Amino acid sequence: GNSVTQMEGPVTLSEEAFLTINCTYTATGYPSLFWYVQYPGEGLQLLLKATKADDKGSNKGFEATYRKETTSFHLEKGSVQVSDSAVYFCALNRPGNNRKLIWGLGTSLAVNP
Amino acid sequence: GAGVSQSPSNKVTEKGKDVELRCDPISGHTALYWYRQRLGQGLEFLIYFQGNSAPDKSGLPSDRFSAERTGESVSTLTIQRTQQEDSAVYLCASTGGNEQFFGPGTRLTVL
Repeated sequence: GNSVTQMEGPVTLSEEAFLTINCTYTATGYPSLFWYVQYPGEGLQLLLKATKADDKGSNKGFEATYRKETTSFHLEKGSVQVSDSAVYFCALNRPGNNRKLIWGLGTSLAVNP
Repeated sequence: GAGVSQSPSNKVTEKGKDVELRCDPISGHTALYWYRQRLGQGLEFLIYFQGNSAPDKSGLPSDRFSAERTGESVSTLTIQRTQQEDSAVYLCASTGGNEQFFGPGTRLTVL
């Protein structure tokens, strides 16, 4: 079946540190891959996405590359800020008409000044 | 507003009572999804609507859970005879293109 595994948190970093949050998936066919972010007290927001192999999604300094050979979509940022403190969710959706999202468990990130 | 809205934002109920949660999707979005987020766990898919029909109800955890959608717009998720394990944040999303836009959720607490 389809599933998403992401690294457990919480992750605590100092400002300007490098961030990697690992995400791997299993899926039939060719899913689209997503990172969503949930800031404290707010709803889920799409951070970035990639719809085919070797695509790189990027937004707000975050990047993730769709790696079919390693079935991974790791999230990276070169220099985190305090305002990046949030919970990050990796997700995929199956190709086809029903685009329900399959989710990882979420990784909490705390960035200290 | 232009986003997905949900009501109520918080609901506290007693075990055994019925609750109804509402979702107003973004106008024109034909696909609508309900998810559940329990504390410390990932999001679980509950049900998917395409228009007013629900071709995928596979995530509804029991027959106490039901949902409907009317006018290709508002959807309600009903939980009958609530149990403590139903406590969670219930999220609604509607789809534009390949992106799901989420509402703020309803936090349900069953005492």
